[in-house]
Amino acid sequence: AQSVTQPDIHITVSEGASLELRCNYSYGATPYLFWYVQSPGQGLQLLLKYFSGDTLVQGIKGFEAEFKRSQSSFNLRKPSVHWSDAAEYFCAVVDSGGSYIPTFGRGTSLIVHP
Amino acid sequence: DGGITQSPKYLFRKEGQNVTLSCEQNLNHDAMYWYRQDPGQGLRLIYYSQIVNDFQKGDIAEGYSVSREKKESFPLTVTSAQKNPTAFYLCASSIMVANTEAFFGQGTRLTVV
Repeated sequence: AQSVTQPDIHITVSEGASLELRCNYSYGATPYLFWYVQSPGQGLQLLLKYFSGDTLVQGIKGFEAEFKRSQSSFNLRKPSVHWSDAAEYFCAVVDSGGSYIPTFGRGTSLIVHP
Repeated sequence: DGGITQSPKYLFRKEGQNVTLSCEQNLNHDAMYWYRQDPGQGLRLIYYSQIVNDFQKGDIAEGYSVSREKKESFPLTVTSAQKNPTAFYLCASSIMVANTEAFFGQGTRLTVV
């Protein structure tokens, strides 16, 4: 079965600093990978996704992620964080073998200091 | 506007009572999911359905029940058998293709006292 690991529970950065949130996946076949963002008390919104092609994908709000098959990673990055980026971030993998069920990591909470 | 709607946003119940959470979508998606969210534990799958009148247990189905009588609707009942029901519940839907994302409702926060 597929799984997703987000090793950092909390990340604290200063506004304007760069950001990298880590995600490692375990999946036997070609992974379909996603990053979502959740504001407090809200549902999840898609930031970006990867399923083939260029391993560097661009998303909304200035985020990007790089797929590295050799490291089984799909890390999320942003060059300059804004205070409004403070939220919970979830990495997810979809089982492409038939069930198409999304499996989520436990999330990383981003704290932004002014 | 197309989307997925959960109601109510907040729900309070006494211990021992069953409670039903509503989830409706007008995206014409075949698949619907219920996730439970607890701090530090991410999203855990409770139940999912990929076709009307059929549904499957997820990782933490004990103490929950669902139905899928219509494509648009996938209500979740939290029964008295669920030992720790206080949580944030998220409903999602998607088409049955691996490279497309799930769409989420705004969630229901259930508090059992």
